[in-house]
Amino acid sequence: SAVISQKPSRDICQRGTSLTIQCQVDSQVTMMFWYRQQPGQSLTLIATANQGSEATYESGFVIDKFPISRPNLTFSTLTVSNMSPEDSSIYLCSVEWGDYRSGANVLTFGAGSRLTVL
Amino acid sequence: AQKITQTQPGMFVQEKEAVTLDCTYDTSDQSYGLFWYKQSSSGEMIFLIYQGSYDEQNATEGRYSLNFQKARKSANLVISASQLGDSAMYFCAMREGFGDMRFGAGTRLTVKP
Repeated sequence: SAVISQKPSRDICQRGTSLTIQCQVDSQVTMMFWYRQQPGQSLTLIATANQGSEATYESGFVIDKFPISRPNLTFSTLTVSNMSPEDSSIYLCSVEWGDYRSGANVLTFGAGSRLTVL
Repeated sequence: AQKITQTQPGMFVQEKEAVTLDCTYDTSDQSYGLFWYKQSSSGEMIFLIYQGSYDEQNATEGRYSLNFQKARKSANLVISASQLGDSAMYFCAMREGFGDMRFGAGTRLTVKP
């Protein structure tokens, strides 16, 4: 499976600032996915990032708040802009890969970036 | 509308016993996939097991098996011979066709020694 390096692993941020999360994959992938996991909650898809085109955002997420870059097939960034305490979450990068056991396309995830906004 | 429902916020199981984590789903698609993921306390998400809508046999992967009841739209995860390391959050997820992966609310499993 693909190996994903995500950083920072955690950060404490001040209200009103912005933070960029980086996601590096050890192989070329078409799509990269960004998820948010609020405290004690499930995963919610923020956007899908394709190389060479604008990211596709899910309902409730906008580019001004969560700008995404996808400069090549192995790298993406997610910026959380003008942060407020409500943005305190784990942000996860993921890619799709073929599971040889089941034959299905499954998601593999980075270790996550745990953001706390004060 | 919620597509994936996990009704058990928390479950406890004695070490070495089996446990079933419930998952029901809602879809009108004929082609879909059901997945289970495990999230450790560190936040790491790991894929466990997959069941396709057209698969007639229940999926199994080591100590994990998926009890797939298509008419009831349920895809329960069964963990046999629980180990202390199984303590984690477990998420059921579904993908309809080539759509995005959607996750349930999760179940926190605690294995007691």
